This record gives sequence, structure tokens and C-alpha cells, in this order.
Amino acid sequence: GPKVLQIPSHQIIDMGQMVTLNCDPVSNHLYFYWYKQILGQQMEFLVNFYNGKVMEKSKLFKDQFSVERPDGSYFTLKIQPTALEDSAVYFCASRRDWGGDEQYFGPGTRLTVL
Amino acid sequence: QQKVQQSPESLIVPEGGMASLNCTSSDRNVDYFWWYRQHSGKSPKMLMSIFSNGEKEEGRFTVHLNKASLHTSLHIRDSQPSDSALYLCAASSSNYQLIWGSGTKLIIKP
Repeated sequence: GPKVLQIPSHQIIDMGQMVTLNCDPVSNHLYFYWYKQILGQQMEFLVNFYNGKVMEKSKLFKDQFSVERPDGSYFTLKIQPTALEDSAVYFCASRRDWGGDEQYFGPGTRLTVL
Repeated sequence: QQKVQQSPESLIVPEGGMASLNCTSSDRNVDYFWWYRQHSGKSPKMLMSIFSNGEKEEGRFTVHLNKASLHTSLHIRDSQPSDSALYLCAASSSNYQLIWGSGTKLIIKP
């Protein structure tokens, strides 16, 4: 089936540094999402993105977070500067269209902030 | 307040038994429901979707939807240890956003 790829699978950085998480969505998908999940807890929506713009973001999407997809390349989540509470698994998801279309998830990037 | 409520939070079912999970939306604009399954350390994978009133069966899995009450349920018969996972319910209206429940943690005891 369609695959969403995420790079890297793990990232360890020091608090205060910048990190960029990369997502390669399914090729004909138009809607892109980032989610945050702390181990054993529920998945929490961060942001969705369509046609080069943020459509909606949650309270978890702090000012230190930004997303972009320059020229149809990777869909990225940048955190600058990072904080200890940013440690989590970040899932990227994509969807061809809205309404009844399924959302496909990438395998996640485990981010550890020391 | 969570717009998609799932119950129970956790459920232990003996191997071979029936697991029943519930999900209700408080958003009357919702038209579409999905059930995703997430094994520990993995990403969520879509299990079943349901958009019309009634029932849909795929193998050991059955979903029901009552659009009037915006309630969906997932039933797993002949539960296997490999069914142990976090089950997530998602709902959407005719827009780009999926609203996720907090999940039901299902444990199948051999």
C-alpha cells in the first residue's frame, strides 16, 4: 500500500538546539499532518498543511515549531529551540483528499532532547 | 472537551473471547469514522472505516455505526494475542481535519 517515509528514525539532541524532522508523504497526497505521541500516551494533533499553508494547528504547536514543504520536497517539522518536553515520537501523516479519504502514517521519528 | 470519546480506556479479554470497543463523537457535523490499530512501538494503521449506518464485517472484525447517535463500535471475535494494541477512533466531517479519540488499550490474555 501507499507509504509515508520519515527521516531520521531516531534523533538525539541537546536542549536548545534546532532539529528538523523530515517526511516524504505519499506522492499524490495533498494534505499533510504532524502528530506527537509520548510513550504509552494518546496521539496528539500538532498541525495540518495544505497547498503550502498551515490550515489548523493545536495549542501544542508552540511558536518554536514551524512546518514547510518547499517545492514539493520533504514536508518538514522544525523545532527551534528544542525543550526537554519535546521528547516524543513524531508521526507524519498524509491524505489524498478530505472527507472519506484515509490518512496514512509514517513510521515515526523518536526525538530525545537531553 | 474531547470531541471524540472512546471507552473503555483499557480492556482485558481472554484469548478466543470477544472484544468490544466504543467511540462517540460530540460533533454533529461528523460523517466519517475510522478505526486504527497501533501496536507498541509502531505507527497507527487503518483497520476499518465506516461511513453509512449499519454494520460492516471484515474477517474477525465488525464495525457498527449509528449516525443518529454518532456512535461507532468495533467488535473483535476470537481475539488473538496479536490483537493486543492501542485502538484509535477518528472522525471527520467534510473537511481536512480528523479528530482523534484517546484510544482503548486492548490486552488479550493467553
